[in-house]
Amino acid sequence: AQSVTQLDSQVPVFEEAPVELRCNYSSSVSVYLFWYVQYPNQGLQLLLKYLSGSTLVESINGFEAEFNKSQTSFHLRKPSVHISDTAEYFCAVSVRGSTLGRLYFGRGTQLTVWP
Amino acid sequence: KAGVTQTPRYLIKTRGQQVTLSCSPISGHRSVSWYQQTPGQGLQFLFEYFSETQRNKGNFPGRFSGRQFSNSRSEMNVSTLELGDSALYLCASSLGVATSTDTQYFGPGTRLTVL
Repeated sequence: AQSVTQLDSQVPVFEEAPVELRCNYSSSVSVYLFWYVQYPNQGLQLLLKYLSGSTLVESINGFEAEFNKSQTSFHLRKPSVHISDTAEYFCAVSVRGSTLGRLYFGRGTQLTVWP
Repeated sequence: KAGVTQTPRYLIKTRGQQVTLSCSPISGHRSVSWYQQTPGQGLQFLFEYFSETQRNKGNFPGRFSGRQFSNSRSEMNVSTLELGDSALYLCASSLGVATSTDTQYFGPGTRLTVL
């Protein structure tokens, strides 16, 4: 079975400060890793994903995440946040090699950026 | 290209009633998945349809059902509504070919309130 733990339910930061949203997973099989973002009254949007290759993946809006297999983690970071980054962030996994597209989500981290 | 659309956006029902939610995937996408999002349980997988066939199902009672049409549009039905069914129901579409590596594109959701 797969499970995803997001260690912080809420992360408040000031604008232009760095931020790290933590994600750990547990799985008996290999997984792919995803970060999704949800803005108020909207659905989820893919931020970035790790499938293979370089363990550091980047998004177009300055976020990056690093896959750490030994620590089973996929933490999301941004060196300088903007007020527009205020949203809920979800870490998710899917089963590598599966013919099924199911995502297993963490409980989410609400990132609030203050001016 | 138009995104995933869900109708209606908001619904208010009373206990014991039934409800049907609709999802239109991105053109060319053949897989549609449904998720239930609540503050208490987070994002939980309901089921996935591909080419009009249910190919994966989450751990929900039989009151929750779905179907997919030949044009890939999908509906989900909840019968004998309970207060605990109040949630945001999200639909996600993907190409459905590479499955676990596919990016899933989410709609804005249908907010169901059961009184």
